[in-house]
Amino acid sequence: GQSLEQPSEVTAVEGAIVQINCTYQTSGFYGLSWYQQHDGGAPTFLSYNALDGLEETGRFSSFLSRSDSYGYLLLQELQMKDSASYFCAVRDRWDTGFQKLVFGTGTRLLVSP
Amino acid sequence: NAGVTQTPKFQVLKTGQSMTLQCAQDMNHNSMYWYRQDPGMGLRLIYYSASEGTTDKGEVPNGYNVSRLNKREFSLRLESAAPSQTSVYFCASSVPGSSYNSPLHFGNGTRLTVT
Repeated sequence: GQSLEQPSEVTAVEGAIVQINCTYQTSGFYGLSWYQQHDGGAPTFLSYNALDGLEETGRFSSFLSRSDSYGYLLLQELQMKDSASYFCAVRDRWDTGFQKLVFGTGTRLLVSP
Repeated sequence: NAGVTQTPKFQVLKTGQSMTLQCAQDMNHNSMYWYRQDPGMGLRLIYYSASEGTTDKGEVPNGYNVSRLNKREFSLRLESAAPSQTSVYFCASSVPGSSYNSPLHFGNGTRLTVT
């Protein structure tokens, strides 16, 4: 089977740094992605890691360790607008050979003043 | 550039009624998807269309059918709605990537309630 685990909720204050962890168990692995979703909105793509290490995009960074089946999203200099749900997603393959994304259940980040 | 457009935004159905959710993308993407999102369960794939002319079942296809009308449009049909199908439905599209870095672009969702 496939499973992705991430904390259900994380709280932090403006200006702080927060890390959202994701551990996964999947039959195949072709990369770990992160998506952000504000309440009532659509998920939007944040980052993608295919190889081990850290990828940085502005205030957001994402890390992957394939040997540990583990990744995290790091958000720095938190702003109120970062309050949202964050989903990790593993890219795997269907039997048809087509790629698929399997999503975690999401982490709700609450940023307070 | 509209991206992925879903209609309707909201819908209330009675058990047993049927309806079709519409989705269109203007990004010339080959692949399209239908997901449902329920509290505490993340996003689950209902059906996908790898390219125009093909459709395949995802993780939770029971109770649904799809049509890939052309490259732009991918519709989801509920033939006989059930309360268990109360959910938020998202359509998405992507360019299938051999590099596997092919992000999904989501529509704004359809909030469906079945009473």
